[in-house]
Amino acid sequence: DAKTTQPNSMESNEEEPVHLPCNHSTISGTDYIHWYRQLPSQGPEYVIHGLTSNVNNRMASLAIAEDRKSSTLILHRATLRDAAVYYCILMEYGNKLVFGAGTILRVKS
Amino acid sequence: GAVVSQHPSWVICKSGTSVKIECRSLDFQATTMFWYRQFPKQSLMLMATSNEGSKATYEQGVEKDKFLINHASLTLSTLTVTSAHPEDSSFYICSAMGPYYGYTFGSGTRLTVV
Repeated sequence: DAKTTQPNSMESNEEEPVHLPCNHSTISGTDYIHWYRQLPSQGPEYVIHGLTSNVNNRMASLAIAEDRKSSTLILHRATLRDAAVYYCILMEYGNKLVFGAGTILRVKS
Repeated sequence: GAVVSQHPSWVICKSGTSVKIECRSLDFQATTMFWYRQFPKQSLMLMATSNEGSKATYEQGVEKDKFLINHASLTLSTLTVTSAHPEDSSFYICSAMGPYYGYTFGSGTRLTVV
């Protein structure tokens, strides 16, 4: 599986947007970009995924660069409940999820 | 929506004993489930892929005789940590593929071996 690079940690103010970057310069044409997050002492939860086009759902938006070598997870209004570790993962459909180090998001009230 | 139930949520056992962790898909059938282990302040490490009706596929470095995986039905996979030792203390998490795109994770089991 291709590797992703994320910042170790980021900080945001409550009610403000958060942009979490992910670099994946070795992405292949069949790799989907997945985002999961893990709250403390819980299992990860699915956030969003995409292949080429930008994606929106009730949790977040995913902006994918035209060359697909980077992407950004956007939380439109961060809340304290969004404080978690966010993982950007490349995966072909049906394959196993392999987690990297992720980004620790801290949200300040 | 898709729910994966993991039981127990925590367990304390004595060194040398075995512990079984259950992972159930409550509202969908899961032909494939995955088992992860997570040490404090570290990321999830994939241990094995569990396929219904067949032997599990273990990741490199994971002892298959120590971590026994059984996936006897489309809704249940179990992980048994045999002859547990303190170094096996960790957070164990299962996940299942489906029914929608993406993976659903259990809430995890914290194992402490004393």
